[in-house]
Amino acid sequence: DAGVTQSPTHLIKTRGQQVTLRCSPKSGHDTVSWYQQALGQGPQFIFQYYEEEERQRGNFPDRFSGHQFPNYSSELNVNALLLGDSALYLCASSLDSYRTYEAFFGQGTRLTVV
Amino acid sequence: AQKITQTQPGMFVQEKEAVTLDCTYDTSDQSYGLFWYKQPSSGEMIFLIYQGSYDEQNATEGRYSLNFQKARKSANLVISASQLGDSAMYFCAMREGPTDSWGKLQFGAGTQVVVTP
Repeated sequence: DAGVTQSPTHLIKTRGQQVTLRCSPKSGHDTVSWYQQALGQGPQFIFQYYEEEERQRGNFPDRFSGHQFPNYSSELNVNALLLGDSALYLCASSLDSYRTYEAFFGQGTRLTVV
Repeated sequence: AQKITQTQPGMFVQEKEAVTLDCTYDTSDQSYGLFWYKQPSSGEMIFLIYQGSYDEQNATEGRYSLNFQKARKSANLVISASQLGDSAMYFCAMREGPTDSWGKLQFGAGTQVVVTP
């Protein structure tokens, strides 16, 4: 049973460019959340997708957008990249049902903006 | 305001010893969940243990136990019989509200644990 998979694992982009990160949730999971983890800090919640809709959003600008597909996989898009967007981007999947509290994380995509 | 506070940036512990990682939280919700995750240098966040706000017993999972003191709003992680493979960053996190099956996780700044032979 594959866990959460993210691609690519590493990425280098130039300031002002756009980037798309991808996430495949754990089998059977229907909810995908994205987190940004700057170096030396804890992850910060970006947004969560359920049934192809953004259900909850953290304090991130509109440059950060996402999408969820019918197979529950998800993409995170960041436009007009800033140096400060350099971070590890983590995807977490979970199952929206009572008492299934656990969220499984992928290995992350390390984005460097130069 | 910081919702999760981890006051220990780093700790050294000897192999086979026990270690306690501190975590305090701030919420006005009656229903919430507390989590501990381990993050090795590879980056993946590994779920360790969960405590619900209404759970009366402290959670345990193998060598991990959570010392939940609701009145003090603390949720300390105890790792017993430390192993070299326990060296990693450890994060405390909270999910607020009745949405105990979904909703954002709020993380602390983490504690770096180094286990020495």
